[in-house]
Amino acid sequence: ETGVTQSPTHLIKTRGQQVTLRCSSQSGHNTVSWYQQALGQGPQFIFQYYREEENGRGNFPPRFSGLQFPNYSSELNVNALELDDSALYLCASNSKLAGAVNEQFFGPGTRLTVL
Amino acid sequence: DQQVKQNSPSLSVQEGRISILNCDYTNSMFDYFLWYKKYPAEGPTFLISISSIKDKNEDGRFTVFLNKSAKHLSLHIVPSQPGDSAVYFCAASALNGGATNKLIFGTGTLLAVQP
Repeated sequence: ETGVTQSPTHLIKTRGQQVTLRCSSQSGHNTVSWYQQALGQGPQFIFQYYREEENGRGNFPPRFSGLQFPNYSSELNVNALELDDSALYLCASNSKLAGAVNEQFFGPGTRLTVL
Repeated sequence: DQQVKQNSPSLSVQEGRISILNCDYTNSMFDYFLWYKKYPAEGPTFLISISSIKDKNEDGRFTVFLNKSAKHLSLHIVPSQPGDSAVYFCAASALNGGATNKLIFGTGTLLAVQP
């Protein structure tokens, strides 16, 4: 069983640029969630994708967008980068079951630094 | 508005003793709770969870207790081992008609187990 993988591991960008982060879900999982973890904080929910559609969104501006592909992998895109976007970006996957909440499994994260 | 709170930023325990990590929440709609462990440069690793219909769940050295009336949960690790040294996050989720099971995280507690 393959776990959640993310790429790249680290990334440095400058303010105003755009970035794309990638995630492959754990085999058998059909739902992907993205979280932002700032230094000293817990992960904050950005959005979730299920069946290639956005299925819930946290308190993040529209310049944070995403995609899910038929193989359940996902991308997080951030436009017009700001210094405060510097954080660890975590992808988590799980298998969505009707009427049930279940555990999400996390990848190692992408460390984004915006200069 | 911090809906999930971990008021102890750090905890130091002797090897072999019990570690007790605490978590409080404010949203009465939360019905599923999880604990994650996080090492530096890695994503959070799922440890144990509990549904709001239970007050205790045990898995090996890890036990989670839930007190719904107090909106409080705790993670007990016994006996504690040096390899348990990590940041522990409490997370909560509210199922809403089968929609997003986003996780709301606390800010984490750094556990140090001294040999």
